[in-house]
Amino acid sequence: KQEVTQIPAALSVPEGENLVLNCSFTDSAIYNLQWFRQDPGKGLTSLLLIQSSQREQTSGRLNASLDKSSGRSTLYIAASQPGDSATYLCAVTGVSNQGGKLIFGQGTELSVKP
Amino acid sequence: GAVVSQHPSRVICKSGTSVKIECRSLDFQATTMFWYRQFPKQSLMLMATSNEGSKATYEQGVEKDKFLINHASLTLSTLTVTSAHPEDSSFYICSAPGQGGWKTEAFFGQGTRLTVV
Repeated sequence: KQEVTQIPAALSVPEGENLVLNCSFTDSAIYNLQWFRQDPGKGLTSLLLIQSSQREQTSGRLNASLDKSSGRSTLYIAASQPGDSATYLCAVTGVSNQGGKLIFGQGTELSVKP
Repeated sequence: GAVVSQHPSRVICKSGTSVKIECRSLDFQATTMFWYRQFPKQSLMLMATSNEGSKATYEQGVEKDKFLINHASLTLSTLTVTSAHPEDSSFYICSAPGQGGWKTEAFFGQGTRLTVV
């Protein structure tokens, strides 16, 4: 059974810092891994999707890496801003999944202080 | 990107009543829609998968008679919480695969905060 874990559960940093969020998964047989942002009481916004054959994806100040063999992904946020404050979730789509359901981690709650 | 519209965003209902939540794919056809539930400070857990024109598939431990799912068209899926109780209070959210299919990016609705009093 696939399990996804995110560390840390919460993170508080001053504005301008670079930071790394971690995601690990127990079953390396995945199709892809996706990083999402969730604002309080809101839905999910997709940030980056990494296919299993890819090593990383970049979008603006965000860079996500994937090491499928070790079951790890990181989300790197450069020059953090207060507007980056949110909960960040990673999720995997497993090869054994039927129809592509996502298995989510518990999320990392990020607070960027001005 | 694709847009999934979910309504209502918030609902408060009395215990014993039923609540219907709608998810619409606005600019694409969603043959499959996933329904998730999220309790406070916890992650999203898949409840069921709805497929247009066929019965929904429920995850283990989810009561199909309590959480009725209907996927009547390629753009609309509904989740009805029947005889709601306070323990059903949660954040419900739907998701549809993008036009590239389920191996590509997933798009989520805005979520529905259900409070049963």
